[in-house]
Amino acid sequence: SAVISQKPSRDICQRGTSLTIQCQVDSQVTMMFWYRQQPGQSLTLIATANQGSEATYESGFVIDKFPISRPNLTFSTLTVSNMSPEDSSIYLCSVERQGIEAFFGQGTRLTVV
Amino acid sequence: RKEVEQDPGPFNVPEGATVAFNCTYSNSASQSFFWYRQDCRKEPKLLMSVYSSGNEDGRFTAQLNRASQYISLLIRDSKLSDSATYLCVVLSGGSYIPTFGRGTSLIVHP
Repeated sequence: SAVISQKPSRDICQRGTSLTIQCQVDSQVTMMFWYRQQPGQSLTLIATANQGSEATYESGFVIDKFPISRPNLTFSTLTVSNMSPEDSSIYLCSVERQGIEAFFGQGTRLTVV
Repeated sequence: RKEVEQDPGPFNVPEGATVAFNCTYSNSASQSFFWYRQDCRKEPKLLMSVYSSGNEDGRFTAQLNRASQYISLLIRDSKLSDSATYLCVVLSGGSYIPTFGRGTSLIVHP
């Protein structure tokens, strides 16, 4: 299994500001994933973060809005930039064990006011 | 059409009832299937994998129907603690990026 520490667990932010979410894994992993889960909705993949290369973004998500860092095999950050109330959501980081199981951080509950 | 579809529910059942959820997927190349459980305000956690031959874990039975492209989850003898959202997850064709359904909410009442 993989243990993932994600922080902050929650935050309330002013619109126009930025928030950086951190995700630390207890073992080395090749790919890390960032998801968004809006109320009553499924998890939507924002991007895939590989160490040593730029993140791969899904349709509807862009690097300027959600810059991602992946400095090593155990750590990643997601920044939500220039926030608006529409960005209020739960953000989750995830790693996967070769198609067998996905492990998630505890999530960051973001409210933008 | 969404890649993975689930009835969002909620399914509201009494303790002891049997309840079943279905999940359909659109990509015929999908290879791996899972059910995850998500409690309120918590992250999703793996409940069980779904094998081609079907599999059972205590009160939970998962089945796969490739011809009709759906998977199912059956819960027998429902407990209050089974109340949660059940997410269907699909991996397709060599990708390690899971696609999630929106989840089915289950409420088990006394």
